Amino acid sequence: QVQLQQSGPGLLTPSETLSLTCTVSGGSISDHYWNWIRQPAGKGLEWIGRIYSSGATSFNPSLKSRVIMSLDTSKNQFSLKLSSVTAADTAVYYCARGEYCTSGRCYAGLAYWGQGAQVTVSS
Amino acid sequence: QSVLTQPPSASGTPGQRVTISCSGSSSNIGSNTVNWYQQLPGTAPKLLIYGLNQRPSGVPERLSGSKSGTSASLAISGLQSEDEAEYYCAAWDDSLDGYVFGTGTTVTVL
Repeated sequence: QVQLQQSGPGLLTPSETLSLTCTVSGGSISDHYWNWIRQPAGKGLEWIGRIYSSGATSFNPSLKSRVIMSLDTSKNQFSLKLSSVTAADTAVYYCARGEYCTSGRCYAGLAYWGQGAQVTVSS
Repeated sequence: QSVLTQPPSASGTPGQRVTISCSGSSSNIGSNTVNWYQQLPGTAPKLLIYGLNQRPSGVPERLSGSKSGTSASLAISGLQSEDEAEYYCAAWDDSLDGYVFGTGTTVTVL
């Protein structure tokens, strides 16, 4: 059973850099897309971006200039950095695997999610 | 601003059938598979539909997805109190080169 465990500071001041890590257990980080999604309180889901196990990335155009994603295959971890945060970046941040795999095939879909991490930006 | 449009709310009595629509464009729903997610309060979303309207293990058969052109829909048959939740559609968008979510629909069981 694939499980994702998120970690990272929950309180930031404006202009700081948000850093979150997601540790994968019960499966390999290889050959999968790893995503970050956020959700402001009372609002909908916003996709931040994804990184493939090869290191290739895709980002939400609205956040692209501030986002860095990386992964550490030796630790089965992947990470998000969002620079120059403001109050508008306050949200619950989720990590998720980008495929559902069954019977030897994988299909697009965020099948496994982390528990979510509340990140608050306040002076 | 969400690229995929859903009705804000839907409701039904226990046992009824409820359908949620998701309207997109040729660059997302029109050319890629649609996913549906259920989110209960305070929890992470759960994948309900993937691929050609298939359900992951554990998702009941009374939930079904369909797609036609640039629109998709999720049907919940035999509505139960446990179905009260927020539902989101999502798809890859080739123009944006990114994954886009719908605006979300709150389902209420009357």
